[in-house]
Amino acid sequence: EPEVTQTPSHQVTQMGQEVILRCVPISNHLYFYWYRQILGQKVEFLVSFYNNEISEKSEIFDDQFSVERPDGSNFTLKIRSTKLEDSAMYFCASRATGGSNQPQHFGDGTRLSIL
Amino acid sequence: KQEVTQIPAALSVPEGENLVLNCSFTDSAIYNLQWFRQDPGKGLTSLLLIQSSQREQTSGRLNASLDKSSGRSTLYIAASQPGDSATYLCAVRRASGGSYIPTFGRGTSLIVHP
Repeated sequence: EPEVTQTPSHQVTQMGQEVILRCVPISNHLYFYWYRQILGQKVEFLVSFYNNEISEKSEIFDDQFSVERPDGSNFTLKIRSTKLEDSAMYFCASRATGGSNQPQHFGDGTRLSIL
Repeated sequence: KQEVTQIPAALSVPEGENLVLNCSFTDSAIYNLQWFRQDPGKGLTSLLLIQSSQREQTSGRLNASLDKSSGRSTLYIAASQPGDSATYLCAVRRASGGSYIPTFGRGTSLIVHP
């Protein structure tokens, strides 16, 4: 069964540094998402992306965050100047066309640790 | 602002029991409600998605119901197995203002012991 893959599985970065988290969505999916989950907290929506532009973003997704689909297969989340509070699991998800009632498929996440 | 609450936070049962997990939400103007399973160190796996016009969905041993007016959903797991051990998350997508941002609950951590 096709799956969403995320790399790296664990990223350790110094505070203030830029970090790029990478995702390869399922190949025929056109809608892409990023979520985060701070340890012990709820999963939180960050951003949705379709047709090479952001569809929606939450309050968390401020100017420090950006997303990009640099080629036909990758979908990236960049954090420009990381803060301690950015430490979390970051999940990428994708879904097929057919309406918002199509289920999203999640990757296994990247654990981001900011020192 | 939508708030999603899941009760109980944790549950430990012997194999074979039938279970009910609860999810409540404060704003009934929802687009859909989705139940996920999360295994340790893994991403989320979609189990069931109920559209706002539906009352329930079934998949195998799982049955999810939705009562929008009371702001509640339940996930029923029949004949539980040790492999069902995981955290179960409920997520509600709102339907107001053209926004479909989902709000998640904290989850119910389930352990089914042999």
